[in-house]
Amino acid sequence: GQNIDQPTEMTATEGAIVQINCTYQTSGFNGLFWYQQHAGEAPTFLSYNVLDGLEEKGRFSSFLSRSKGYSYLLLKELQMKDSASYLCAVTDSNYQLIWGAGTKLIIKP
Amino acid sequence: GAVVSQHPSRVICKSGTSVKIECRSLDFQATTMFWYRQFPKKSLMLMATSNEGSKATYEQGVEKDKFLINHASLTLSTLTVTSAHPEDSSFYICSARGGGRDTEAFFGQGTRLTVV
Repeated sequence: GQNIDQPTEMTATEGAIVQINCTYQTSGFNGLFWYQQHAGEAPTFLSYNVLDGLEEKGRFSSFLSRSKGYSYLLLKELQMKDSASYLCAVTDSNYQLIWGAGTKLIIKP
Repeated sequence: GAVVSQHPSRVICKSGTSVKIECRSLDFQATTMFWYRQFPKKSLMLMATSNEGSKATYEQGVEKDKFLINHASLTLSTLTVTSAHPEDSSFYICSARGGGRDTEAFFGQGTRLTVV
């Protein structure tokens, strides 16, 4: 079956750095997305990785290792507004988006 | 990024009535639109995928006669929840993709449906 695993919840301190991991087992791979979702709102796009390596975009970076079926989202200089759920999603060989359950990130002052 | 507008953002309806939710791509042509349902503290559950001008493809377990999807144009898709029941209360989200299958999908704002 297809499966995406990410931690249910993480806690970090304002100003610090946090890494949210995502591992996947899917039938084929055509890219991995990270989305941010605040409570009661729709997800917003953060990043897309299809090749191995690190993609940096401001305070957020995303890493992919296809051979390991592994990705992480790195958030630097955490702000209170970064408190949200972070969803990992993989596009499989049929270009279907397979979603993880999301990681709830709690930022403390 | 591209803009997807979903309306209404909140709706309360009585049991047995039908509710229509609209999803519009405002600045691009959406060749594919997706409808999701999200339960509290749960991830997105894909309900159906619709391509403009053709019938929607429903995921297993989703009643196509209850959740009617129409994608009549490249900028509009609608989801109609027919004969709504309290268990249909949920957060419904649409997303639209305009390019190839590996391009990102843009999300609407979501619709909070409460059936009383």
